[in-house]
Amino acid sequence: QSALTQPASVSGSPGQSITISCTGTSSDIGDYKYVTWYQQHPGKAPKLMIYDVSNRPSGVSDRFSGSKSGNTASLTISGLQADDEADYYCSSFTSASPLVFGGGTKLTVL
Amino acid sequence: QVQLQESGPGLVKPSETLALTCTVSGDSVSSGSYYWSWIRQPPGKGLEWIGYIHYSGRTNYNPSLKSRVTMSVDTSKSQFSLKLSSVTVADTAVYYCASSSRGTWWYFDLWGRGTLVTVSS
Repeated sequence: QSALTQPASVSGSPGQSITISCTGTSSDIGDYKYVTWYQQHPGKAPKLMIYDVSNRPSGVSDRFSGSKSGNTASLTISGLQADDEADYYCSSFTSASPLVFGGGTKLTVL
Repeated sequence: QVQLQESGPGLVKPSETLALTCTVSGDSVSSGSYYWSWIRQPPGKGLEWIGYIHYSGRTNYNPSLKSRVTMSVDTSKSQFSLKLSSVTVADTAVYYCASSSRGTWWYFDLWGRGTLVTVSS
């Protein structure tokens, strides 16, 4: 079982906005600003989308945004596009085991 | 632009040692700017951080794997390596080498393509 909890799946129609949650504890997300989000298309390596809770690497669309409240981090994708369909993973620094990932969320664009 | 490429056997027998290498191109593996990490993903499942090594030799391993993991850097070949001992079928996964261009170790914007390692007799 993953240390961070994500919904198994979310879906949305093109143009809509969706939010993926990532729930941890006070020993990881709640206590550190080191939450990361990755996008992974089938058969491909993960791609960095958000780092340190809300920072976007150059080249990543501003349709992707990250936030954190308490022990839960969130990834919001606005203006959904067909190519956003992928698996999304969160990760966080943790005092117990330096780095943990969520179980992943499959995003379906209807 | 730093590029990473994993290599190693695709099939390992149970109880044996898995050994993978990641070749770094585009910058020096001995640059102090990078922490060199390994991450794995069992088929159809999520990601698991294995650990990292800095060229200085400093390492940090996932406690759940620590007793079986050894990482090293070979500056002459511009490579870093992973050894995982006493493997079982649960170690079957795609293994990625990864790093960050920002000098951090907790997120990764540099990834290899991944290599599937199957543990089977």
